[in-house]
Amino acid sequence: GENVEQHPSTLSVQEGDSAVIKCTYSDSASNYFPWYKQELGKRPQLIIDIRSNVGEKKDQRIAVTLNKTAKHFSLHITETQPEDSAVYFCAASDHNQGGKLIFGQGTELSVKP
Amino acid sequence: SAVISQKPSRDICQRGTSLTIQCQVDSQVTMMFWYRQQPGQSLTLIATANQGSEATYESGFVIDKFPISRPNLTFSTLTVSNMSPEDSSIYLCSVAFLGGDEQYFGPGTRLTVT
Repeated sequence: GENVEQHPSTLSVQEGDSAVIKCTYSDSASNYFPWYKQELGKRPQLIIDIRSNVGEKKDQRIAVTLNKTAKHFSLHITETQPEDSAVYFCAASDHNQGGKLIFGQGTELSVKP
Repeated sequence: SAVISQKPSRDICQRGTSLTIQCQVDSQVTMMFWYRQQPGQSLTLIATANQGSEATYESGFVIDKFPISRPNLTFSTLTVSNMSPEDSSIYLCSVAFLGGDEQYFGPGTRLTVT
């Protein structure tokens, strides 16, 4: 089955700097890759996603890139703000296998003012 | 976007007892899933709740321990049976809509087993 590895487990940046979180997946059939942000005590919130027919997607300060050949995808946050502090999870799924999500281990991002 | 609710939001239970968690969506959804998130950990899929048929369980999860119902397109329940302290966790439902890959999560149920 699918396995998703996520790095780093913790990341600390200064406000205004960029943050990058990386994930690798094992199943070449996976075709959908979402990113979730989870603040303490809250539910995971979908912040951006990418499908296997696209190499990059941007939404304001966040972007995701996908390298299908290498089977890895990354989340990029620019101009970080203290409110970006949270745990971020990547996930992978195969739409043809019912869409179940396999999550990475999570990255705790801390943005210091 | 849909409103997803879960009941209860939290509970403290005695070992050996069972708890049923409800997930309600305010619009019809195609897919409903149940996840477990142990303290400080990632999310692990327990099962896919299939409407009108038995749930599809992931490796390591069995129906006798986690029976699931999905009687219609907007409601599902997860029961945690014969609980032990190792079952202490947050249980989350998620939903996906027809034609979409995106999954949206309920607020979660925080379960503590003593």
